[in-house]
Amino acid sequence: GQSLEQPSEVTAVEGAIVQINCTYQTSGFYGLSWYQQHDGGAPTFLSYNALDGLEETGRFSSFLSRSDSYGYLLLQELQMKDSASYFCAVNRGNNRLAFGKGNQVVVIP
Amino acid sequence: ETGVTQSPTHLIKTRGQQVTLRCSSQSGHNTVSWYQQALGQGPQFIFQYYREEENGRGNFPPRFSGLQFPNYSSELNVNALELDDSALYLCASSPNVQGAVYGYTFGSGTRLTVV
Repeated sequence: GQSLEQPSEVTAVEGAIVQINCTYQTSGFYGLSWYQQHDGGAPTFLSYNALDGLEETGRFSSFLSRSDSYGYLLLQELQMKDSASYFCAVNRGNNRLAFGKGNQVVVIP
Repeated sequence: ETGVTQSPTHLIKTRGQQVTLRCSSQSGHNTVSWYQQALGQGPQFIFQYYREEENGRGNFPPRFSGLQFPNYSSELNVNALELDDSALYLCASSPNVQGAVYGYTFGSGTRLTVV
């Protein structure tokens, strides 16, 4: 079986740093993805980690620890446009993603 | 590059009716996946189509069915609609079956309300 745990909501000021955690429990694991979704919009791919360690893409970084079944997304230098829901999703190697419930980030001036 | 286009954007149906949702994949993408997203939840995998064949299915009943056409566009059909089918239906395309690795391109979805 599988489960993905994500905290529900976080509020932060512009310029701050936010870390969104994701723990997973799954019978098969090939990697962890992160997607951003603005209200009423399409989910947008941010990153994918197949191996342990940190992947950096601009202001966003994603980390994976396979031994701990844990990953996080780090949002740096927060901007108002970063207000959105962020989802982690497990790749179970069967052509599908298993998404968590998501974490809403609210950026305030 | 036009991205993924879904139609209609909103739809209201009555319980027991049937509905067809449409998706045009991004240019050059031959794989289409469908996801159901209930309010406040993450997307749930329905099925994937690759080269006009179903290539994986999630835990959805047979009344959820699909098609992929030679131009890689796709349809999602839902029969005997139930109130719990009310959700945002997302289409995602990828250049091959490795979308889970390299990232899917999602459409903005069809908001289905069943009354």
